[in-house]
Parts: sequence; C-alpha cells; structure tokens
Amino acid sequence: GQNIDQPTEMTATEGAIVQINCTYQTSGFNGLFWYQQHAGEAPTFLSYNVLDGLEEKGRFSSFLSRSKGYSYLLLKELQMKDSASYLCAVVDSNYQLIWGAGTKLIIKP
Amino acid sequence: IAGITQAPTSQILAAGRRMTLRCTQDMRHNAMYWYRQDLGLGLRLIHYSNTAGTTGKGEVPDGYSVSRANTDDFPLTLASAVPSQTSVYFCASSGQGGTGELFFGEGSRLTVL
Repeated sequence: GQNIDQPTEMTATEGAIVQINCTYQTSGFNGLFWYQQHAGEAPTFLSYNVLDGLEEKGRFSSFLSRSKGYSYLLLKELQMKDSASYLCAVVDSNYQLIWGAGTKLIIKP
Repeated sequence: IAGITQAPTSQILAAGRRMTLRCTQDMRHNAMYWYRQDLGLGLRLIHYSNTAGTTGKGEVPDGYSVSRANTDDFPLTLASAVPSQTSVYFCASSGQGGTGELFFGEGSRLTVL
C-alpha cells in the first residue's frame, strides 16, 4: 500500500526554527508537495520538489531525498501566524496525489 | 468570482436526503477534484475530472457522483446522505494535472444527522 508519515503535532517557540519531516512509500514518484492549512481554512500551496536537494523560499525551505523516501519542511524565524497544519503530499506513478494526515504546528510565544 | 468558489459553506442535512455541493472556478483549469477531510486523516480524493466531459473515481467514491458539463463547474452530489458522510469537503483545481499546484475552495462543512 501507499503511505505518507508525518508527526501528528509539534510545538515550537516564536522566533525559533522547526523541521517537519515526511516519509513516504508510494508506487512511483513524480514529485512532493507541501501545503499549509490554517484551522477552518483551505490548504494553500507552499512548495513542490521533484529533484533531490533543498528549495528555499523566504523563511520556508523544503528538502527532498528520493532515495530515502524523505522530505522535510524547514520554517525559520517562526511567527505566531505560522501556527497551522502542514500537509505533505506525494504524486505517485499514476499522477495521483497521496496525502499525509498533516502535522499540526503550535507556536508558543 | 476570483479563483474557486464552493457553496454552501455549511449545511446540516437529514440522513436520506439528496444534496449537491457546488464548485465553480474561473481560472480555466482543466483538472478539478473533490476531497473530503476528516480529523486525523489526510485529504481523501472522492472524484476527479481531468477535463470537461470526463470524470474518474478517487479513493472514496461510494455514495457520491459528479458531473463536468463544462470547464468551470464541478458539482458533487450525495444521492442519499448517510451520517458517515459528515465531513469537510474541498473542491480544488489545477492547471497542470497531477504535478500542478492545487487551488482549493474554502470548503463545505456538511453534517448528516
């Protein structure tokens, strides 16, 4: 079967750095997405990785290792508004998105 | 209309009733999707459409039907609602199919009693 694993919940302090991990086992791989979802709202796109390495976009960076079936989302200089769920999703060999259950990130002052 | 719009935003429904959730996008995206999101579970695909006139089944299609008469509209129908269909439903669209960024509607919270 296909599986995406993420921690259920993480807590971090305002101004700090946090890394949210995602491991996957899927039938094929055609890219990995990270989405942010604030409580009661729709998911919004953060990043897309298809090649190994680190993609940096402002305070957020996303890393991919295809050989390890592993990705992480790195959030720097945390702000209270970063409190949200972060969803990892993999595009499989049929170009279907397989979603993780999401990681709820709690930011404390 | 800007982006993707869903209606209604919230609905309480008696079991056995028929319900249609509406979804409209103005981005001229070919691909559209219906997901349900339940606590502790990832987004689960109900049905999708790669282009107007075609639809396909996702991971959890039972009890749901869709149509795609044109590019903009992608309604989701529950023929006879059951309590297990209580969920938040998201419509999404993409301009690049499987590897494209998804644009989501604001969601429809459905409660079936």
